[in-house]
Amino acid sequence: EPEVTQTPSHQVTQMGQEVILRCVPISNHLYFYWYRQILGQKVEFLVSFYNNEISEKSEIFDDQFSVERPDGSNFTLKIRSTKLEDSAMYFCASSEPGDLYNEQFFGPGTRLTVL
Amino acid sequence: AQSVSQHNHHVILSEAASLELGCNYSYGGTVNLFWYVQYPGQHLQLLLKYFSGDPLVKGIKGFEAEFIKSKFSFNLRKPSVQWSDTAEYFCAVSYNTDKLIFGTGTRLQVFP
Repeated sequence: EPEVTQTPSHQVTQMGQEVILRCVPISNHLYFYWYRQILGQKVEFLVSFYNNEISEKSEIFDDQFSVERPDGSNFTLKIRSTKLEDSAMYFCASSEPGDLYNEQFFGPGTRLTVL
Repeated sequence: AQSVSQHNHHVILSEAASLELGCNYSYGGTVNLFWYVQYPGQHLQLLLKYFSGDPLVKGIKGFEAEFIKSKFSFNLRKPSVQWSDTAEYFCAVSYNTDKLIFGTGTRLQVFP
């Protein structure tokens, strides 16, 4: 069964460093998402991406964040200068074309720890 | 503000007991409602969803949920839980976009 994959599973970085979190969505999917979950808190929407541009973004998704689909398979989330409060589990999701409300398939997450 | 509340943070049941997990959402017009489950060490996966039509929705693994518009609720039910249902359950809502707004999750532990 096709799956969304994410690398790395755990990333440790120093405050102020740049990190890139990688996701490989399911191959025929066209809608892509990033969510995050700070320990003990809700899963929060960050951004949605379709047709090589951002469809919607949350207040969390400020200028420090960017997303990119550099090739036909990867979908990345970059945090330019990490802060302590960026420590969280980051989930990538994708959904297939057609209905806007198609099921979103989630990856296993990347745990980001900012020291 | 658009929000989702799950009232049960941690539920402990014995096998064969019935389950009902509460979910309420804030009013925001047309909504699409979802329940996701995360088994230990696994991805979030969709249990069931409601977009329109019959307010009683059946999902995988014997789960169902009922949309009650007047109560802004979408409670998850299962008549008889199994040990393998031990997981975290998330209610989620979307309001006219594909952005999912999640509740805080309910951790279910089922003992044999």
